[in-house]
Amino acid sequence: GQQLNQSPQSMFIQEGEDVSMNCTSSSIFNTWLWYKQDPGEGPVLLIALYKAGELTSNGRLTAQFGITRKDSFLNISASIPSDVGIYFCAGFGGTSYGKLTFGQGTILTVHP
Amino acid sequence: DGGITQSPKYLFRKEGQNVTLSCEQNLNHDAMYWYRQDPGQGLRLIYYSQIVNDFQKGDIAEGYSVSREKKESFPLTVTSAQKNPTAFYLCASSIESGTNTDTQYFGPGTRLTVL
Repeated sequence: GQQLNQSPQSMFIQEGEDVSMNCTSSSIFNTWLWYKQDPGEGPVLLIALYKAGELTSNGRLTAQFGITRKDSFLNISASIPSDVGIYFCAGFGGTSYGKLTFGQGTILTVHP
Repeated sequence: DGGITQSPKYLFRKEGQNVTLSCEQNLNHDAMYWYRQDPGQGLRLIYYSQIVNDFQKGDIAEGYSVSREKKESFPLTVTSAQKNPTAFYLCASSIESGTNTDTQYFGPGTRLTVL
C-alpha cells in the first residue's frame, strides 16, 4: 500500500522558536491533511490542502501542498507550550482511493 | 452541538470476551471509519463504510466486525479472535468517501484494555 514518510519523528524546542515538519510520498496525492493529537484525544484537523502549490495558513500554522503532489510541509511559528502534541500528515488519492494514508507522526515538545 | 461521539472513553475487557465500541455522528456525513492506534504509531484503518448497509475491510480487519444500520451510527465489535486488542480506537466521518473533499473528522477515541 501507499506510505507516507513523516519527519522528524520528534522535536524538542524552546518556546518562541519556529517549527517545520514534512511528509513525503512515493506516489501522488490529491489531498493533504494535517492533524494535531493531544494525549488521549482524537486528532483535530488543522489544515486541509486540495491543490498542488497551495499554501494555507491557520493562525501561526502554515502548510503547503508540494508542486510534485508528493510532499507537504507544516510550519508553526513562535511556538507556545500548548503546541505540544503529535502532528500527523495524511494523504488521499492515487492507489489508496477512498482511504486516507497517515504518516507516523511528529512528537513536538515545547520547553517554556 | 455537531460532532462525533465515542463511548465509553475507557473500556476494560477480559480475555475471550467480545466488546462493542460505540460511534455516533450528527454531521450528516455519509462515510464513517474505524482506526486503531498503538503507542508511538500512526493510525491503521480497520473498517470503513461509505453508505448505510455497506462497509469494507480496511488494512487490519481481522478479529473485528462492524455494522451500519443507520447513517449516524457505526459500532465496532472487537471479537475474541483479535489477538492483541489493547489499543486506542478512533472513529471518524467524512461528507463522502472517494472524492477530494474526503476530509475526515475524528471522535475523542476509546481506550480498550484487555485484562
